[in-house]
Amino acid sequence: QSALTQPPSASGSPGQSVTISCTGTSSDVGGYNYVSWYQKFPGKAPRLMIYAVTKRPSGVPDRFAGSKSGNTASLTVSGLQAEDEADYYCSSYAGSNDFVVFGGGTKLTVL
Amino acid sequence: EVQVLESGGGLLQPGGSLRLSCAASGFTFSSYALNWVRQAPGKGLEWVSTISGDTTTIDYADSVKGRFTISRDNSKNTVYLQMNSLGAEDTAIYYCVKSSGWYAFDFWGQGTLVTVSS
Repeated sequence: QSALTQPPSASGSPGQSVTISCTGTSSDVGGYNYVSWYQKFPGKAPRLMIYAVTKRPSGVPDRFAGSKSGNTASLTVSGLQAEDEADYYCSSYAGSNDFVVFGGGTKLTVL
Repeated sequence: EVQVLESGGGLLQPGGSLRLSCAASGFTFSSYALNWVRQAPGKGLEWVSTISGDTTTIDYADSVKGRFTISRDNSKNTVYLQMNSLGAEDTAIYYCVKSSGWYAFDFWGQGTLVTVSS
């Protein structure tokens, strides 16, 4: 069982917005501004999409946005495109004992 | 261009040992922490271990503590993961991953498959 809780699936039509949640505790998501989001296609390595809750690495479209409220972080994908269909994983720093914990992943389907 | 390349995966029996290697290039190797993250079949991602650039900080997930050992050779731009007492629960794709700071992982290798089965 993953430390962070994500919905197993999410979906939206092209052009719409979809938000994926990532719920932890005050020991991880709520305690630090070190939430990251990764995009993963089957058979491929994950790609960093968001770090430090809201920051985007260079090359990541600004359609991807991160936020956090209390113990829940969120990834919002705006203007959905077919190429956004993938698995998305959140992670958070969890202190010196657990270091980094991941969510179980959310399969995003573009209808 | 940053490149990360894992090797050493394979099929082995329960109780066996294996050493994974990860060669990296395209950045100042000794300045960055490196990590191993794994994904079991049909499961999510799991952080396994991290080692700082100067090797002063090393950490392991509870699931591998006492069985796995991470190390690095900065002269060879290579990080290793020695895995002992392997069980079926260790079957996974193992990714070598560079830390970006901010406790995020910015460059991932393509992964190497470790299968533990009798």
